[in-house]
Amino acid sequence: DAGVIQSPRHEVTEMGQEVTLRCKPISGHDYLFWYRQTMMRGLELLIYFNNNVPIDDSGMPEDRFSAKMPNASFSTLKIQPSEPRDSAVYFCASSPLFGREAWVRADTQYFGPGTRLTVL
Amino acid sequence: QQPVQSPQAVILREGEDAVINCSSSKALYSVHWYRQKHGEAPVFLMILLKGGEQKGHEKISASFNEKKQQSSLYLTASQLSYSGTYFCGTDRETTDSWGKFQFGAGTQVVVTP
Repeated sequence: DAGVIQSPRHEVTEMGQEVTLRCKPISGHDYLFWYRQTMMRGLELLIYFNNNVPIDDSGMPEDRFSAKMPNASFSTLKIQPSEPRDSAVYFCASSPLFGREAWVRADTQYFGPGTRLTVL
Repeated sequence: QQPVQSPQAVILREGEDAVINCSSSKALYSVHWYRQKHGEAPVFLMILLKGGEQKGHEKISASFNEKKQQSSLYLTASQLSYSGTYFCGTDRETTDSWGKFQFGAGTQVVVTP
């Protein structure tokens, strides 16, 4: 089975540019998550979707960040304009379920390989 | 609040044991453990649920002390493949169907030959 697919794997851009990160979840998974990982803050949940609908975006740091899921097999995380402090590894994850109903079944999140973003 | 992991890093020789802790100031419903190798994505290890149920990895064990709101991950007779950064994720006990899921900062484990 193909796992979670993310593109690009590496992105280097200049401050002020728009950046779009892409994610294809595992087929059949109803939940999709975007995480940001930095040395200082560790793994932070930015936003998650259920059946393509954003459920909790309280982790999105600023209005410069936006995420969409137009269909069950594709999601984007956009940063506009980008800033050097946005440099991080961005992970997408998906799961068939989320919450306690999932955890009693040990259903969990499957992470993609990540996109390493560097903003100069 | 983010769960607190300790130690931040540990170096051990192959065959030695180590314990990684994950603590919360809030009541927890579940604790999730993941391992991330350098340059790779985090991989699920196990879930510990309130009430003592444990689901996941066969060779790595863990405990969940509900009184202390602390989980411990036990790396026994460590192997080189155990090297990586271990993250705990916690779900707080709330009246909602589930609380806010957050990861700790991670514990870096290095196993040497």
